Amino acid sequence: DQQVKQNSPSLSVQEGRISILNCDYTNSMFDYFLWYKKYPAEGPTFLISISSIKDKNEDGRFTVFLNKSAKHLSLHIVPSQPGDSAVYFCAAIGSYGKLTFGQGTILTVHP
Amino acid sequence: GAVVSQHPSRVICKSGTSVKIECRSLDFQATTMFWYRQFPKQSLMLMATSNEGSKATYEQGVEKDKFLINHASLTLSTLTVTSAHPEDSSFYICSASPADQETQYFGPGTRLLVL
Repeated sequence: DQQVKQNSPSLSVQEGRISILNCDYTNSMFDYFLWYKKYPAEGPTFLISISSIKDKNEDGRFTVFLNKSAKHLSLHIVPSQPGDSAVYFCAAIGSYGKLTFGQGTILTVHP
Repeated sequence: GAVVSQHPSRVICKSGTSVKIECRSLDFQATTMFWYRQFPKQSLMLMATSNEGSKATYEQGVEKDKFLINHASLTLSTLTVTSAHPEDSSFYICSASPADQETQYFGPGTRLLVL
């Protein structure tokens, strides 16, 4: 049972444009959501997070939106840069601080 | 952000040997650390929750006698893969959260290859 889903395995974007990465979840008990960036053979790097009491959090080029009624969150990167190319994981925190990860989306930003 | 280190970054061993992986929180104390495993082209899978001063909590399907976890101090957790076999070859990653944060920070990971 996949409680956190990233339905797009990959996304290709032109440099300078907006990248929108989507994530859906099923467990209404999740109350904190995070986005991580990951390169092969490296640990995930924390990007941005959002609490369930908010609907938007912004940090530089990264903005996360949360729609609780739809159980949907998205990560917006604008403007996208070639260095943003990586695998992006969304994750949700449930009981006992356990993280549940989505399957990941491979973002490719073309120069 | 908080810094988590892992050692070794890469290890190759023969089948039947045991391998110990260390996870350290460098600039904060962590009563809880988490161990994940990632297979190629798959997401991270939580293996166990490491609790300082008490037994680890294992996820369903993870053999506790196979993957021994010791959380000896507030900055160190170790994962020992006992009697490793080729199917244990994987990428192992740990994470930890500072006490006042919900965000988990990850170590750089350890690539294990069992021959």
